[in-house]
Amino acid sequence: KAGVTQTPRYLIKTRGQQVTLSCSPISGHRSVSWYQQTPGQGLQFLFEYFSETQRNKGNFPGRFSGRQFSNSRSEMNVSTLELGDSALYLCASTGTGTTNEKLFFGSGTQLSVL
Amino acid sequence: AQSVTQLGSHVSVSEGALVLLRCNYSSSVPPYLFWYVQYPNQGLQLLLKYTTGATLVKGINGFEAEFKKSETSFHLTKPSAHMSDAAEYFCAVTPGAAGNKLTFGGGTRVLVKP
Repeated sequence: KAGVTQTPRYLIKTRGQQVTLSCSPISGHRSVSWYQQTPGQGLQFLFEYFSETQRNKGNFPGRFSGRQFSNSRSEMNVSTLELGDSALYLCASTGTGTTNEKLFFGSGTQLSVL
Repeated sequence: AQSVTQLGSHVSVSEGALVLLRCNYSSSVPPYLFWYVQYPNQGLQLLLKYTTGATLVKGINGFEAEFKKSETSFHLTKPSAHMSDAAEYFCAVTPGAAGNKLTFGGGTRVLVKP
């Protein structure tokens, strides 16, 4: 069974641009969560999608958005990039999204904003 | 609201020695607690979790953790360190079965000396 797949693995953008990151969950999983990891702020929850609906949201500005498709694949978008958006963005999936289930993480997309 | 404090951002242990990583949490409701490990250039992997029931939880790779409500702690231990344990470890909390909005601690990087 394939794991959580995130593309691209590395990304370099400049300030003011926008970026879209992709996450394909494990087959059969319906819940996808996104986290931002930086040396300064650590791991922070961005949002969670379940059955194409945003179920939870973290404390990030509106520049950060996401969506989930009917096949459970998810994308997150960051508009008007800032230097501080440089981070490792991790995606995780579970079956139904309850916390009794194991969360499977992808290897992440490393975003560098210049 | 939830918060997690991991004491010590770096821990150095000798191979074969006890590994002890400290985690204290704050939660307004009965928490679910987790330990994750992250190897370089990889996503997070679940080591163990506490939801309800037995307070001593055994995980993968010989790790275990004990939930102590009176001390609001969930320390991670391994009796004998192995070189392959060198990684970064994260404690996380979520307010019960409320989806996958995990709050992470700052992480503890473990160095294993031969």
